Amino acid sequence: KAGVTQTPRYLIKTRGQQVTLSCSPISGHRSVSWYQQTPGQGLQFLFEYFSETQRNKGNFPGRFSGRQFSNSRSEMNVSTLELGDSALYLCASSHDRDEQYFGPGTRLTVT
Amino acid sequence: AQKITQTQPGMFVQEKEAVTLDCTYDTSDPSYGLFWYKQPSSGEMIFLIYQGSYDQQNATEGRYSLNFQKARKSANLVISASQLGDSAMYFCAMSGIYNQGGKLIFGQGTELSVKP
Repeated sequence: KAGVTQTPRYLIKTRGQQVTLSCSPISGHRSVSWYQQTPGQGLQFLFEYFSETQRNKGNFPGRFSGRQFSNSRSEMNVSTLELGDSALYLCASSHDRDEQYFGPGTRLTVT
Repeated sequence: AQKITQTQPGMFVQEKEAVTLDCTYDTSDPSYGLFWYKQPSSGEMIFLIYQGSYDQQNATEGRYSLNFQKARKSANLVISASQLGDSAMYFCAMSGIYNQGGKLIFGQGTELSVKP
């Protein structure tokens, strides 16, 4: 069974731009969660989607948004990028509220 | 609010020896789950083991076991017979019934180095 895939793996953007990250979950998984990992703040939960609905949201500004499609694939968008948005963005999938399986991450650098 | 604490920023262990990584948690949820993940330098988070708060027995998965002490609110990971490939960051995480979804709270992690 294929694992969680994330594209792109690496991304360099300029402050003020926007970016879209993509996540394809394990086949059959309906829940997709997104996390931001930085050296200073560690791993922080962004939001979770289940059956195309946002079910839970972390404490991030409205510049961070996401969506999920009918095939469970998910996208995360960050608008008006700031230097502090540089991070490893991880997505994880699960059947529902059980163990989450993570993708390889997208490393975003904002200059 | 839920919180996970990992007090060991870094640890060293000799190859083939056992090592315990500490994790304490705080939650008011009556039902919760505890997870351990491994993150090699490549960045991908690898699921290792899960313990439910109502599970009577400690979870085991191959060389990994979880020493769950509910009264002490601790969920330590024990790795037996350490291998060089075990060198990585290890994260303890928690989910709760009131999370209303797939939200994991992570600790700050412990960097494990296995010496040959």
